[in-house]
Amino acid sequence: GAGVSQSPSNKVTEKGKDVELRCDPISGHTALYWYRQSLGQGLEFLIYFQGNSAPDKSGLPSDRFSAERTGGSVSTLTIQRTQQEDSAVYLCASSLRQGTSGSSYEQYFGPGTRLTVT
Amino acid sequence: SQKIEQNSEALNIQEGKTATLTCNYTNYSPAYLQWYRQDPGRGPVFLLLIRENEKEKRKERLKVTFDTTLKQSLFHITASQPADSATYLCALLNTGGFKTIFGAGTRLFVKA
Repeated sequence: GAGVSQSPSNKVTEKGKDVELRCDPISGHTALYWYRQSLGQGLEFLIYFQGNSAPDKSGLPSDRFSAERTGGSVSTLTIQRTQQEDSAVYLCASSLRQGTSGSSYEQYFGPGTRLTVT
Repeated sequence: SQKIEQNSEALNIQEGKTATLTCNYTNYSPAYLQWYRQDPGRGPVFLLLIRENEKEKRKERLKVTFDTTLKQSLFHITASQPADSATYLCALLNTGGFKTIFGAGTRLFVKA
């Protein structure tokens, strides 16, 4: 079956421009995560969506970052007035999150969007 | 603040040997601990999950231990193969299994 997809795969933008990154999770997965990974670094949690609950935005680094999830499926991460320090790979993941089985906490990652701010 | 530490130095081992990777954490009481594998240019891939009340979990050539007193998890790959070469990430989840904190990962090289 189809996995998590992200678009674009690469994005080069000028400092100060806005960008939108898209994530299509696995069908039926209720949870969706956004992470940021800088070169040689671990994954930095950004935001988490679970069903119809209010998202956990505690990882967003500034108010220039926002995300939404429409219809419980596709999600868009928006970065306004991009800065050079925003350059990183942005990863999206989804998980089933139903029941208490350990398998429901497995996160399935997309290939990421490499963002370069010049 | 919550902190996860994984060996920042790469681990180099000979094919057939057992690789052991360490994950230490502070200021956190995770309900679950996961290990992921990440290859260059790809997203992480889930390997194993272990709960706080479990001491050990096995899957094929993989074994994970979880010591909540030491605040440490060990990840073992037995009979290692060059194809096991990758970066391995440790991740902690809270009781709700929501917010996930990842370590920076340890790079493993298995030499033929």
